[in-house]
Amino acid sequence: AQSVAQPEDQVNVAEGNPLTVKCTYSVSGNPYLFWYVQYPNRGLQFLLKYITGDNLVKGSYGFEAEFNKSQTSFHLKKPSALVSDSALYFCAVRATNFGNEKLTFGTGTRLTIIP
Amino acid sequence: ETGVTQSPTHLIKTRGQQVTLRCSSQSGHNTVSWYQQALGQGPQFIFQYYREEENGRGNFPPRFSGLQFPNYSSELNVNALELDDSALYLCASSRQGASTDTQYFGPGTRLTVL
Repeated sequence: AQSVAQPEDQVNVAEGNPLTVKCTYSVSGNPYLFWYVQYPNRGLQFLLKYITGDNLVKGSYGFEAEFNKSQTSFHLKKPSALVSDSALYFCAVRATNFGNEKLTFGTGTRLTIIP
Repeated sequence: ETGVTQSPTHLIKTRGQQVTLRCSSQSGHNTVSWYQQALGQGPQFIFQYYREEENGRGNFPPRFSGLQFPNYSSELNVNALELDDSALYLCASSRQGASTDTQYFGPGTRLTVL
């Protein structure tokens, strides 16, 4: 079985400061890892993914994430937060075996950027 | 914005009724996955359709069923609605066979069961 943990329900960051949203995962074999963002009353918007290769993945809107296999983590980061980054963030994992495209999501982290 | 569309946007039903939700996939995508997102929770996988057949199912009862059409659009049907079925229903499209491909989500349908 695959699972994702997002240990923080809420993260508050001052505008301009660096932000980190934490994610750890469990999956058989190598993982595919994703970050999505959800704005109020909207669907999920893709930010970035890790498939293989470089452990530091860059995505949309200046976000990046670092894959750490030994710690089974995939934390989302941004060097300088904007007020517009305030939203609900979801980490998701998928097994790499062909035909199994089920995404398993964490419970989400609400990010609030304080002006 | 993705090219994934869903209809209707909102829906109100009463317990015991049946509902059909619709999803049009992004151009070039041949796979549709459905997720249920209850209030304050992450999305939960319901099932996936590829080549008009169910290709994987999550922990949902048989009263949740679906279809995929030759143009890759899809329907989610829920029979005998229960109060706990109230949620945001999300569909996502992707390309089966491109296992590294991303699932792109539609805006969702908000279902309220009274």
